[in-house]
Amino acid sequence: AQSVTQLGSHVSVSEGALVLLRCNYSSSVPPYLFWYVQYPNQGLQLLLKYTTGATLVKGINGFEAEFKKSETSFHLTKPSAHMSDAAEYFCAVSSGGSYIPTFGRGTSLIVHP
Amino acid sequence: DTGVSQDPRHKITKRGQNVTFRCDPISEHNRLYWYRQTLGQGPEFLTYFQNEAQLEKSRLLSDRFSAERPKGSFSTLEIQRTEQGDSAMYLCASSPIQNTEAFFGQGTRLTVV
Repeated sequence: AQSVTQLGSHVSVSEGALVLLRCNYSSSVPPYLFWYVQYPNQGLQLLLKYTTGATLVKGINGFEAEFKKSETSFHLTKPSAHMSDAAEYFCAVSSGGSYIPTFGRGTSLIVHP
Repeated sequence: DTGVSQDPRHKITKRGQNVTFRCDPISEHNRLYWYRQTLGQGPEFLTYFQNEAQLEKSRLLSDRFSAERPKGSFSTLEIQRTEQGDSAMYLCASSPIQNTEAFFGQGTRLTVV
């Protein structure tokens, strides 16, 4: 079985500050990991993904994430927050025979001026 | 190609009525997923297709829910005898193969009154 835990339903940062959104996963086999962003009343857009290879993954809009197998984590970071980053962020894991993406509950990122 | 398309974007229905949603995946994507998302939660997996075969449907919420994907192209999700608890965003996603990211449509928001 696979699952995702996102720590913190809301994260609040000031514009220009570091963004850190936490994601821990559970999987019995090597996983594929994803971060998606969702704006109000929209679908989900992929930010970045980890499949194999380099554990530090760079995505769109300046975001990056590091796969740490020993910690079963895949935290999302951005050095400097922008007002336009305010949105809901979802971590997802895909593994096993069926590779059906399983999502966390999401973290709402709030950016203050 | 313009991405995954869902129709309608919004649906208001009276309790007890049947509703059907349509999803057109990205061309040549052989995997198609349906998810449900309620307020403040992540997407919850319902069912998926590999081409025209429905490979997992045990997660459909009740026997009132059914999905089809004739000819392995577009898909429909039907909810019979709708209940107020069915009010949610219904998301469709597609992917080319099983171990790649899912591409999401903008969703169909269902409101049952």
